[in-house]
Amino acid sequence: NAGVTQTPKFQVLKTGQSMTLQCAQDMNHNSMYWYRQDPGMGLRLIYYSASEGTTDKGEVPNGYNVSRLNKREFSLRLESAAPSQTSVYFCASSEASTNLGEQYFGPGTRLTVT
Amino acid sequence: DQQVKQNSPSLSVQEGRISILNCDYTNSMFDYFLWYKKYPAEGPTFLISISSIKDKNEDGRFTVFLNKSAKHLSLHIVPSQPGDSAVYFCAASANTNAGKSTFGDGTTLTVKP
Repeated sequence: NAGVTQTPKFQVLKTGQSMTLQCAQDMNHNSMYWYRQDPGMGLRLIYYSASEGTTDKGEVPNGYNVSRLNKREFSLRLESAAPSQTSVYFCASSEASTNLGEQYFGPGTRLTVT
Repeated sequence: DQQVKQNSPSLSVQEGRISILNCDYTNSMFDYFLWYKKYPAEGPTFLISISSIKDKNEDGRFTVFLNKSAKHLSLHIVPSQPGDSAVYFCAASANTNAGKSTFGDGTTLTVKP
């Protein structure tokens, strides 16, 4: 099992460009999440999907959109990148849509917006 | 307002000694708490968790203690090993939150040989 995979690993964008971060999990988990981590800070939830076909906003959703393509895949799109979106982005999945149970994280995408 | 706080950004301990990492929370609706460990350039990995119906959970060298009245939890690592050097995140979730967790800012643990 690969667990949670993310592509790309690194990306540099110019202000105003768009891109999609891809995430896939092979653990048959119902719930998937997108976080960002800024230096010296914890993980902040951008969007999550409690089950296939549903998505909802997290703590910092502005400037992002998501798509739960199927049970395996959950993508994060930046329509018009801004320097404030420079961060490390982590995708995660969990088996349960309740609060019980740990999340499994991908290796992260390091995004720089110039 | 930060609901989960890890007030010590860093901690340094000698190999073989105990490491104690602390976490405070403000939201009384939180009823499940987790600790994650993160190495550089990797995603966080789950370490140990505790439900609010317990006050202690142990897994090998790792023990988490929960004090609900103080809204405080701590992670004890005994004995500490150099391989434990990493960033440790405390996270909390509520049954009403559909699986969402709120994370603290992390504590960087350095275990010196």
